[in-house]
Amino acid sequence: DAGVIQSPRHEVTEMGQEVTLRCKPISGHDYLFWYRQTMMRGLELLIYFNNNVPIDDSGMPEDRFSAKMPNASFSTLKIQPSEPRDSAVYFCASTGWGANTEAFFGQGTRLTVV
Amino acid sequence: SQKIEQNSEALNIQEGKTATLTCNYTNYSPAYLQWYRQDPGRGPVFLLLIRENEKEKRKERLKVTFDTTLKQSLFHITASQPADSATYLCAYNSGYALNFGKGTSLLVTP
Repeated sequence: DAGVIQSPRHEVTEMGQEVTLRCKPISGHDYLFWYRQTMMRGLELLIYFNNNVPIDDSGMPEDRFSAKMPNASFSTLKIQPSEPRDSAVYFCASTGWGANTEAFFGQGTRLTVV
Repeated sequence: SQKIEQNSEALNIQEGKTATLTCNYTNYSPAYLQWYRQDPGRGPVFLLLIRENEKEKRKERLKVTFDTTLKQSLFHITASQPADSATYLCAYNSGYALNFGKGTSLLVTP
């Protein structure tokens, strides 16, 4: 397996534009997580899915953020409209079944909103 | 609510020495603690997991301890090498989600 795949690697957009980040988890993994990383706040959990169903979205900062997982091999994180304070690195991770399994992370998407 | 704290100060050590990184939690003892390594521009990579009822876990030059009395986990790298330079993150499970500390940057100089 190629691991968790995220696209794009880098995204620069203007304030007010819609941004869509994409993630392909490892095949067979039941859980998918979206994280945001900044120097100030570290790695923050935004939302996670189990078997394509959102389980906990309490980390999503505002209604401008939304996430979907239409099937087991694809998830999106959308920001609409984007703001400069959304600039961060966004990571997707997946794990197999169980709370004690290691998380596999993608390479991340570095988002810059100008 | 549970908080996990890592020393925000970077740790600089000389090659060959043992590096010790600290992870403190504030509330209940998590059932598991995990340690990850993150290199610049890359996602975190899993290193070790330790359970609440385990005092110590080892993997090659790595050792993790879990002290529920002190509410602390220590991460040791023995015989450190410049290639060990990275940011190290600890994380605890809350249900099926992993919550991370901010990480400690380690620099090993020749």
